[in-house]
Amino acid sequence: DIVMTQSPLSLPVTPGEPASISCRSSQSLLHSDGNTYLDWYLQKPGQSPQLLIYLVSNRASGVPDRFSGSQSGTDFTLKISRVEAEDVGIYYCMQAVDIPYTFGQGTKLEIK
Amino acid sequence: EVQLVESGGDLIKPGGSLRVSCAASGFSFTNVWMSWVRQAPGKGLEWVGRIKRKIDGGTADYAAPVKGRFTISRDDSTNTLYLHMNSLKTEDTAVYFCTREPHFDNWGRGTPVTVSS
Repeated sequence: DIVMTQSPLSLPVTPGEPASISCRSSQSLLHSDGNTYLDWYLQKPGQSPQLLIYLVSNRASGVPDRFSGSQSGTDFTLKISRVEAEDVGIYYCMQAVDIPYTFGQGTKLEIK
Repeated sequence: EVQLVESGGDLIKPGGSLRVSCAASGFSFTNVWMSWVRQAPGKGLEWVGRIKRKIDGGTADYAAPVKGRFTISRDDSTNTLYLHMNSLKTEDTAVYFCTREPHFDNWGRGTPVTVSS
């Protein structure tokens, strides 16, 4: 199975400051169709998960442009340019290039 | 508007069986692969399995912890996804979400399954 390792696991951030979450995969997420199957999800307190970013860097519908995703090899990064109070929750990366799909452990973002 | 509504969660004794459902609306269910994801209390997300659309064979794949015990099926005539769970264990206690592929862009609220004696 592909192992997804996130860091940090806890991320206290001051509103207005940037934040960055890393996700490392144990092997390449590049599919034979040319796409890299790495998505980011946010689970706000008491809610179901919601899609933020798909295929490494594509924002889902309605996601603010302060969220961005990038890749360097098997290292993936989610960046929030300016954190807002509504961004609190647990962020998960997930690979969907191979079965079983696997999630990272989650990164809990909280406001300082 | 895309909607996914899970139901059927319950309190079940170890070794028991349960079927949970996911009613889909607002999109062409027949043309979509669907997945189940679960979340144990206070834990992260765990992919359970998926089912392809009929035109792609309609077959299902499963995570190792549930393979041989869980079965995913779909009824395209009623736009309903099912998760049949047998030989339930205490570690299957979780909220079960259905979601559509690719990229899990819509999720239901989940249905809670508790396995306890």
